[in-house]
Amino acid sequence: SQTIHQWPATLVQPVGSPLSLECTVEGTSNPNLYWYRQAAGRGLQLLFYSVGIGQISSEVPQNLSASRPQDRQFILSSKKLLLSDSGFYLCAWREAGVRSRGYTFGSGTRLTVV
Amino acid sequence: EDKVVQSPLSLVVHEGDTVTLNCSYEVTNFRSLLWYKQEKKAPTFLFMLTSSGIEKKSGRLSSILDKKELFSILNITATQTGDSAIYLCAPAGGTSYGKLTFGQGTILTVHP
Repeated sequence: SQTIHQWPATLVQPVGSPLSLECTVEGTSNPNLYWYRQAAGRGLQLLFYSVGIGQISSEVPQNLSASRPQDRQFILSSKKLLLSDSGFYLCAWREAGVRSRGYTFGSGTRLTVV
Repeated sequence: EDKVVQSPLSLVVHEGDTVTLNCSYEVTNFRSLLWYKQEKKAPTFLFMLTSSGIEKKSGRLSSILDKKELFSILNITATQTGDSAIYLCAPAGGTSYGKLTFGQGTILTVHP
């Protein structure tokens, strides 16, 4: 069966520090991968999605970047965090090209920038 | 630009009450609409709707889609405290990459 792992669960970082959040999926190949951010317990905003290794699409211009160095690995990064980067970050995957049950989400990372 | 509006934004009820959550959307190349329940962490999948007028049911929860009027509703009957959560509506559209556009969510609080 497929599983998705996301870490760390919580993170407190100072303004100006770098960021690296990692997400990996097991039990599937060539998944579509997504990074979402959720502010203050509200709706999710799509940040990046990827349909293959090295293929990244950005939905919202911002201080963050994403990379997909391996088929089932998706990384969210920043060189210098801003206060506004605080939020709940969720990684999700979906089987490519299949009308399935929507996304499966990771357990999320709660980032606080201080 | 794709838009999803959920209402109400928050709702407080007592156990046993019935609630109706609303979701209206404008999405390019609409394919389906999904409902998720989010408690503390990751949203969990509830329903995927692709056809108008066909009600999906799971226990006390049911949902229906109207593709002509571009909205969906989620009903919860005989609410329980465990139903307290954020309910998120997410239409899927655009390319085949399956991007979901999420609404703001409805925060449901069920008191004993």
